[in-house]
Amino acid sequence: DTAVSQTPKYLVTQMGNDKSIKCEQNLGHDTMYWYKQDSKKFLKIMFSYNNKELIINETVPNRFSPKSPDKAHLNLHINSLELGDSAVYFCASSPNTGRRTEAFFGQGTRLTVV
Amino acid sequence: KQEVTQIPAALSVPEGENLVLNCSFTDSAIYNLQWFRQDPGKGLTSLLLIQSSQREQTSGRLNASLDKSSGRSTLYIAASQPGDSATYLCAVRAGMNRDDKIIFGKGTRLHILP
Repeated sequence: DTAVSQTPKYLVTQMGNDKSIKCEQNLGHDTMYWYKQDSKKFLKIMFSYNNKELIINETVPNRFSPKSPDKAHLNLHINSLELGDSAVYFCASSPNTGRRTEAFFGQGTRLTVV
Repeated sequence: KQEVTQIPAALSVPEGENLVLNCSFTDSAIYNLQWFRQDPGKGLTSLLLIQSSQREQTSGRLNASLDKSSGRSTLYIAASQPGDSATYLCAVRAGMNRDDKIIFGKGTRLHILP
């Protein structure tokens, strides 16, 4: 009964391809996030969604398009993959009712673009 | 703009020693502070969550303190063990209205020498 689950765990693909990463949370949370962890292990926010609505887009290239079909899912689609997109992508969720609450992270998706 | 700094970037100590990891943040207007652990190639495990109104939290051999006014937090690990070797990440939750985000430091890589 994983709280925040991402698929796939590993993704190797060629430059120029389009790929998607899926995220699901079974915690009933309203807010979901995508984070990118670069080669230096620094975690930086990309997007946040609240009840399927985009709240934060942290100057991410428009090749990245998040989609939230319902509040339990936040998928990340990436078009025309570039070498620099290689990173670990983490999905997270948190309750919306009061920001004093804990954030839960998925296990990450390691994307390698070759 | 909120920035989170962790010192030191890396630390090696002999097994059994007590140690302190430091975290500082530039804007005291935070909702909470969370310490995470990340093992190589793995996801994030939440260790402790401190609300903005709290001073400390304890879990087993871990104790985290928060001094919001000075923008500082420490993670104290007692009687360190080789299994404590990991990267420790400090993160603050901050923002206005629904535009809140979790902002990470770059982590401290801890190595416990057997």
